[in-house]
Amino acid sequence: EPEVTQTPSHQVTQMGQEVILRCVPISNHLYFYWYRQILGQKVEFLVSFYNNEISEKSEIFDDQFSVERPDGSNFTLKIRSTKLEDSAMYFCASNPGQGIAFFGQGTRLTVV
Amino acid sequence: RKEVEQDPGPFNVPEGATVAFNCTYSNSASQSFFWYRQDCRKEPKLLMSVYSSGNEDGRFTAQLNRASQYISLLIRDSKLSDSATYLCVVNAYGAGNMLTFGGGTRLMVKP
Repeated sequence: EPEVTQTPSHQVTQMGQEVILRCVPISNHLYFYWYRQILGQKVEFLVSFYNNEISEKSEIFDDQFSVERPDGSNFTLKIRSTKLEDSAMYFCASNPGQGIAFFGQGTRLTVV
Repeated sequence: RKEVEQDPGPFNVPEGATVAFNCTYSNSASQSFFWYRQDCRKEPKLLMSVYSSGNEDGRFTAQLNRASQYISLLIRDSKLSDSATYLCVVNAYGAGNMLTFGGGTRLMVKP
């Protein structure tokens, strides 16, 4: 069964460093997303990506964040200068266009 | 006002019990509705979609009341393996086709 894959599963980084979180969505899906979940809190929308551009972003997704789909298969989230409060689980998801989203196993980002 | 609101619980129930969770949503333009399940420190996984006429999948029954903007999930004959957090999720399509999550309701099924 096709699945969304994310790497790495856990990333530890120093405050101020750049991180890139990687995702391979399900190949024939149309919409791609990044969500995050701070420990003990709810799943929060960051950004959606459709037709090779951002279709929606939340107020969390500020200038420190960017997304790319560099080669038609990978979908990356970059955080330019990490802060302590960026520590969270980051989930990538993809959607075939029917409303249902399938999530990757997540990357746990720890900023120290 | 929260966009998708759920009672956080926890709901502690014995095996075999029937338990019901409720959810309300604020965006009347919401088009699709889902229940996802999330185990501790894992990704959300789709449990079931919720249709206007109500739908059932084994021990799970979901209901939608558009007029009241209310969604429910009923679990019959609870199993230990049902212990998880249940997330109410809505999709308003126009807004980048994104899903909006409730905070989740935690269920603990005890022997």
